[in-house]
Amino acid sequence: DADVTQTPRNRITKTGKRIMLECSQTKGHDRMYWYRQDPGLGLRLIYYSFDVKDINKGEISDGYSVSRQAQAKFSLSLESAIPNQTALYFCATSDRVGPINQPQHFGDGTRLSIL
Amino acid sequence: QKEVEQNSGPLSVPEGAIASLNCTYSDRGSQSFFWYRQYSGKSPELIMFIYSNGDKEDGRFTAQLNKASQYVSLLIRDSQPSDSATYLCAVNTGFQKLVFGTGTRLLVSP
Repeated sequence: DADVTQTPRNRITKTGKRIMLECSQTKGHDRMYWYRQDPGLGLRLIYYSFDVKDINKGEISDGYSVSRQAQAKFSLSLESAIPNQTALYFCATSDRVGPINQPQHFGDGTRLSIL
Repeated sequence: QKEVEQNSGPLSVPEGAIASLNCTYSDRGSQSFFWYRQYSGKSPELIMFIYSNGDKEDGRFTAQLNKASQYVSLLIRDSQPSDSATYLCAVNTGFQKLVFGTGTRLLVSP
């Protein structure tokens, strides 16, 4: 089984719909992240959480919200989806060990298309 | 200036050659540097990480870091067609977040 699991893997929906992408992990990591990836723009950070009570905005948080339901679960919501939110979305996790960033480990991604 | 810059490529090398991938970054306070490999439509996979100036070797891969020049590179020796992918450089900006470059596409021809 994958250490970082994202659901759904693919989703097609219409403009204005509310969508939730879910991420769960079995790595025991404290830190979780949501990114989107667009061609030519690379990976951009949407939100991140360093523990259950800690939520932080990333580079492109407008139009998105998150919920950290437990150490192992971090959900991303699009309250009212718009076509330019069509992208590949990744969840990632990392451990908290010492002062230096630990590597991030990625889920398999959710391909989201908004018509 | 982008925080993390990579040449988009493609970088084409013949099988068995050394592939050299480069990355520059703007934040002098950066402490951690990562290389990820990403196949088309797949998730990024960690290849190497480096924290100190100099070289770090792991199998066919060598990461090189020069903090004075704000430069990090990845060398792939004995390149194989299966190494054909996009390589992402990621840099810790000092705020416990990673900033990713847009990636360099590597093509290894048989």
